Amino acid sequence: KAGVTQTPRYLIKTRGQQVTLSCSPISGHRSVSWYQQTPGQGLQFLFEYFSETQRNKGNFPGRFSGRQFSNSRSEMNVSTLELGDSALYLCASSLPTTDTQYFGPGTRLTVL
Amino acid sequence: LAKITQPISMDSYEGQEVNITCSHNNIATNDYITWYQQFPSQGPRFIIQGYKTKVTNEVASLFIPADRKSSTLSLPRVSLSDTAVYYCLVGEDTGRRALTFGSGTRLQVQP
Repeated sequence: KAGVTQTPRYLIKTRGQQVTLSCSPISGHRSVSWYQQTPGQGLQFLFEYFSETQRNKGNFPGRFSGRQFSNSRSEMNVSTLELGDSALYLCASSLPTTDTQYFGPGTRLTVL
Repeated sequence: LAKITQPISMDSYEGQEVNITCSHNNIATNDYITWYQQFPSQGPRFIIQGYKTKVTNEVASLFIPADRKSSTLSLPRVSLSDTAVYYCLVGEDTGRRALTFGSGTRLQVQP
């Protein structure tokens, strides 16, 4: 069974731009969660989607948003990029019956 | 949320058994204990989960004493490829997919 895939793997943007990251969950997984990982703050939960609805949200500004499609694929968007948004963005998927999450390799975003 | 304390770093040699202890004094009745492993520039990987006593799988063992205020992840006969950051998570399995990660323990395995 294929794992969680994320595209692109690397991205370089400049301040003020916006970016869209994509995540394809493991087949059959309907829950998709997003996390941000930085050296200073560690791994932080962004939001979770289930059946195209945002079910949980972390403590991030409104510039961070996401959505989920009917095939469970998910995208997250960051608008008006700031230098501090440079991070590894991780997507994780899970089955409805457990909170064990399977993470993708991440997208490394660098904001210049 | 349970407050979690685990060592910042540990060193070991190949072939040794490594035990990483996590302290969670205010663990709640419904909380489970879960461990994830993360290699550089990769997403965390689920290792093991338990509620009480001992759980063992093909990768590790998890020991949880009766008071559940701590837990120990045991990695038998580590190899260089076990060098990674290990996260201890405590939380209720309510279906919330919002994991709270601490700082983790950086394990360095030497040849």
